[in-house]
Amino acid sequence: GENVEQHPSTLSVQEGDSAVIKCTYSDSASNYFPWYKQELGKRPQLIIDIRSNVGEKKDQRIAVTLNKTAKHFSLHITETQPEDSAVYFCAASLSGYALNFGKGTSLLVTP
Amino acid sequence: NAGVMQNPRHLVRRRGQEARLRCSPMKGHSHVYWYRQLPEEGLKFMVYLQKENIIDESGMPKERFSAEFPKEGPSILRIQQVVRGDSAAYFCASSPPLGDTQYFGPGTRLTVL
Repeated sequence: GENVEQHPSTLSVQEGDSAVIKCTYSDSASNYFPWYKQELGKRPQLIIDIRSNVGEKKDQRIAVTLNKTAKHFSLHITETQPEDSAVYFCAASLSGYALNFGKGTSLLVTP
Repeated sequence: NAGVMQNPRHLVRRRGQEARLRCSPMKGHSHVYWYRQLPEEGLKFMVYLQKENIIDESGMPKERFSAEFPKEGPSILRIQQVVRGDSAAYFCASSPPLGDTQYFGPGTRLTVL
């Protein structure tokens, strides 16, 4: 089955800096790659996703890149703010089926 | 447009009791997924259902766990004879037909004493 590795497990940045989280996956059939943000005690919330026919996608301060050949994808957050502090999860799946999640990255943005 | 609803939000059971967790998908969504999250860990897929059908239950333990999504009413995840190791947050997510984006509910936090 699909195996998703996520790094780093914790990340601390200063407000205004950029943050990058990287994930690799094992199943070349996976074609859908969402990123979720989860605040303590809350539900995972989709922040951005990318499909395998696209190499990069941006939404304001958030961008995701996908390298299908190398089987890795990354989340980039620019101009970080304290409210970006949360746990971020990457996932990979065959479209419409179960999401296989990484173990999460705890991001702390210090003022 | 209400999001994915789950109840109860918190559930306490003693070892050996049964736990029933309910999930109502977003309006127009016919696909439901259940995930389990242990403390400080990622989400693990359990089961994927469509109305009256289990599509994929590969992540669900073979014993004590069952799930259904009837024609009418919410999806239910049932855990019989709970053990302490079942303590976790259980999230359901829903997606529309022909869609791949999954929206999560607030979760049910199960504590087994």
